[in-house]
Amino acid sequence: DADVTQTPRNRITKTGKRIMLECSQTKGHDRMYWYRQDPGLGLRLIYYSFDVKDINKGEISDGYSVSRQAQAKFSLSLESAIPNQTALYFCATSDRLQGTDTQYFGPGTRLTVL
Amino acid sequence: AQSVTQPDIHITVSEGASLELRCNYSYGATPYLFWYVQSPGQGLQLLLKYFSGDTLVQGIKGFEAEFKRSQSSFNLRKPSVHWSDAAEYFCAVAGQGGYNKLIFGAGTRLAVHP
Repeated sequence: DADVTQTPRNRITKTGKRIMLECSQTKGHDRMYWYRQDPGLGLRLIYYSFDVKDINKGEISDGYSVSRQAQAKFSLSLESAIPNQTALYFCATSDRLQGTDTQYFGPGTRLTVL
Repeated sequence: AQSVTQPDIHITVSEGASLELRCNYSYGATPYLFWYVQSPGQGLQLLLKYFSGDTLVQGIKGFEAEFKRSQSSFNLRKPSVHWSDAAEYFCAVAGQGGYNKLIFGAGTRLAVHP
């Protein structure tokens, strides 16, 4: 089984709809992240969480919100989706005990907003 | 500002040929450096990382990278490319000490001709 799973893997929605992307991990890591990937821009950080009670904005958090329901679960929500949120979304985890914050990525969710 | 530059957007090599993917970074202190690979439809897989010590780092799948502080570079190399190496490659940098976000380059897409 994969260590970091994301659901759904693909989603097509309409402008104005609320969307939730979910991430679960079995690695036992305390830190979790949400990124979006756009062609030619690499990955950009949306939100990150160091533990259940510690959530922080990344560089492009506008239009997004997150929920850390448990150490193993970190959800990303688009309250009112817009077309420029069409992208590939990745969840990642890391373990501060390793002291290096090496991040491990899920398979991604491809979101299309029409 | 911290940044990562991957000068080559696309590279095409023949199977069996050698490969070098370039990565230059801008960072005020000694960074942590990473190379990730993204195969089509997949998440990002960590190829290798540099934290300290020997500046030539060995990774998975026969890849290696060399940290050159004087050139602010961390180029990825492979002596003989296989068709399965066709993918997108991302260089990333993070600060040492505490938490510092991972900053990605825009990626280099590698095509391999038979």
